[in-house]
Amino acid sequence: EAGVAQSPRYKIIEKRQSVAFWCNPISGHATLYWYQQILGQGPKLLIQFQNNGVVDDSQLPKDRFSAERLKGVDSTLKIQPAKLEDSAVYLCASSLGGVAGVFGQGTRLTVV
Amino acid sequence: AQSVTQLGSHVSVSEGALVLLRCNYSSSVPPYLFWYVQYPNQGLQLLLKYTTGATLVKGINGFEAEFKKSETSFHLTKPSAHMSDAAEYFCAVSDITGNQFYFGTGTSLTVIP
Repeated sequence: EAGVAQSPRYKIIEKRQSVAFWCNPISGHATLYWYQQILGQGPKLLIQFQNNGVVDDSQLPKDRFSAERLKGVDSTLKIQPAKLEDSAVYLCASSLGGVAGVFGQGTRLTVV
Repeated sequence: AQSVTQLGSHVSVSEGALVLLRCNYSSSVPPYLFWYVQYPNQGLQLLLKYTTGATLVKGINGFEAEFKKSETSFHLTKPSAHMSDAAEYFCAVSDITGNQFYFGTGTSLTVIP
């Protein structure tokens, strides 16, 4: 079974630029999560989708972050404009719901 | 709302010694509980999970955890540490639908030869 695919693996941008991350979940997994993991901290849930609907985005900084999951499969997370404090690893996970999430390897973002 | 607290951000044990990583949760409804391991520059890998049934859960790599409702705990143990166990360990909680899937702040395990 293929895992959760994320791209790119690494990204370096200047502050105030825009960036987008892509996630392809495991086939058939209706639930998709995006997490932000700052160095030395635990993953923080940014947004959870159930199919193409948003279940929880209470911790998503909506003034600069956006996410979509068109057709209930792939998802993109965008930051516009980026700040220095957005430097982190962005993790995508998917699950069947009520089952442990399977994680991708993440995208490491460095904002300079 | 659900949350988890991991006591001890850093734990060091000698090779062959018992590993004990602590996790306490707060939840208004019976939660699902998980332990994940993260090696440097890697994603998170599921070690074990508790959903229902037997409160002692066995996972991969010789790890196990016991759900104690009275203590709201889900501590991770391994009888004998190996060098390869050195990593970051995260406790997580969700409700039974997979919502509110939140992580603790993590415990970094160092194994001393």
